[in-house]
Amino acid sequence: LAKTTQPISMDSYEGQEVNITCSHNNIATNDYITWYQQFPSQGPRFIIQGYKTKVTNEVASLFIPADRKSSTLSLPRVSLSDTAVYYCLVGVDTGRRALTFGSGTRLQVQP
Amino acid sequence: GAGVSQSPRYKVAKRGQDVALRCDPISGHVSLFWYQQALGQGPEFLTYFQNEAQLDKSGLPSDRFFAERPEGSVSTLKIQRTQQEDSAVYLCASSSTSGVYNEQFFGPGTRLTVL
Repeated sequence: LAKTTQPISMDSYEGQEVNITCSHNNIATNDYITWYQQFPSQGPRFIIQGYKTKVTNEVASLFIPADRKSSTLSLPRVSLSDTAVYYCLVGVDTGRRALTFGSGTRLQVQP
Repeated sequence: GAGVSQSPRYKVAKRGQDVALRCDPISGHVSLFWYQQALGQGPEFLTYFQNEAQLDKSGLPSDRFFAERPEGSVSTLKIQRTQQEDSAVYLCASSSTSGVYNEQFFGPGTRLTVL
């Protein structure tokens, strides 16, 4: 599985756009990039998944450059309720089908 | 509710006691996972079921941990002779197929505190 590196924490204010970048230098050809969000006292929740270029849904956008060695999760106009931990996951253990989480990025949104 | 549910939400056990944690996955979901999450860390894989078959238990930290899913729906994670290092949040997740990139739906977790 590809090792991922993402900032430990980030701070933002309501209404701003937040970009969280994840580095994954040894991503494999077949690996997808997936982001999960976790609020306090809840389980993680799937946000978005992509393979290359750009993916957008109602929650976020995911930007993946051509070399795929990094990816950026973009949250438009964050609100206080976006305060959470965001996990970047690359690849899946095809044997156990399990997700491999790192320590994530703790996003704190201030009023 | 259509989501994954877990019970109890909180459990306090004295060291040496046995505990049983229950997971009700989304109806019809084939795959079920258990994860352990220590404070400030991301979840770590414990075990995986496809229907009633436990296909991988390599993440279970010791033989005191046992999981079952006898009818391919509800699952129970049992911890025998609990130790303080077992204190963590235990998360259950399910997904609709066995596809490797299928979205996993997580329950709220059970917070276990061993005194």
